Amino acid sequence: DAKTTQPTSMDCAEGRAANLPCNHSTISGNEYVYWYRQIHSQGPQYIIHGLKNNETNEMASLIITEDRKSSTLILPHATLRDTAVYYCIVRPINAGGTSYGKLTFGQGTILTVHP
Amino acid sequence: NAGVMQNPRHLVRRRGQEARLRCSPMKGHSHVYWYRQLPEEGLKFMVYLQKENIIDESGMPKERFSAEFPKEGPSILRIQQVVRGDSAAYFCASSPDVGRMNTEAFFGQGTRLTVV
Repeated sequence: DAKTTQPTSMDCAEGRAANLPCNHSTISGNEYVYWYRQIHSQGPQYIIHGLKNNETNEMASLIITEDRKSSTLILPHATLRDTAVYYCIVRPINAGGTSYGKLTFGQGTILTVHP
Repeated sequence: NAGVMQNPRHLVRRRGQEARLRCSPMKGHSHVYWYRQLPEEGLKFMVYLQKENIIDESGMPKERFSAEFPKEGPSILRIQQVVRGDSAAYFCASSPDVGRMNTEAFFGQGTRLTVV
């Protein structure tokens, strides 16, 4: 079962920042937070992941609270092509300190970007 | 660097036939995951394999479904005696050896199985 809670749907105006929240209050110290998205029946696309520090890449930023019980994915300038289902996932770390194992998808957040 | 390749993209089978879905992971990746997505539903984990080994098959139906990832060649998800309820999109993902720090998993574009 998924260990995350996300809003069912969100709207965002094109060009504005989209802030997608995720609650993972039962996350353990050996789990990463991952974000993926799925655009209309295509294969899921990796966005970003983090452990406890905030992360940024060319697609998005990930803000993780200090207690690690929640996080926010930020798409800084949403476009129509960002309309998708966004999944927040927790994934265990193995003994070597790298994340591995299955990704368990919940229902995700349907983000709709409007013109 | 080619991504995860799945074939065929679309597969039609009659009830009772066998379906074979192939997944070629990204170069250098030795971990493969299979997921199923029923129409209008979420992605459900099926099985996690490393070369020649099944690591986690907790999501695989007990009957008719099997998966392998041989030393050479693609990973195969095999469904015997297909039924209409097997109609779904099947996605494969791969990730590199756990010795690397950034072990994100990358997905293929899926195989859409239709059972008629």
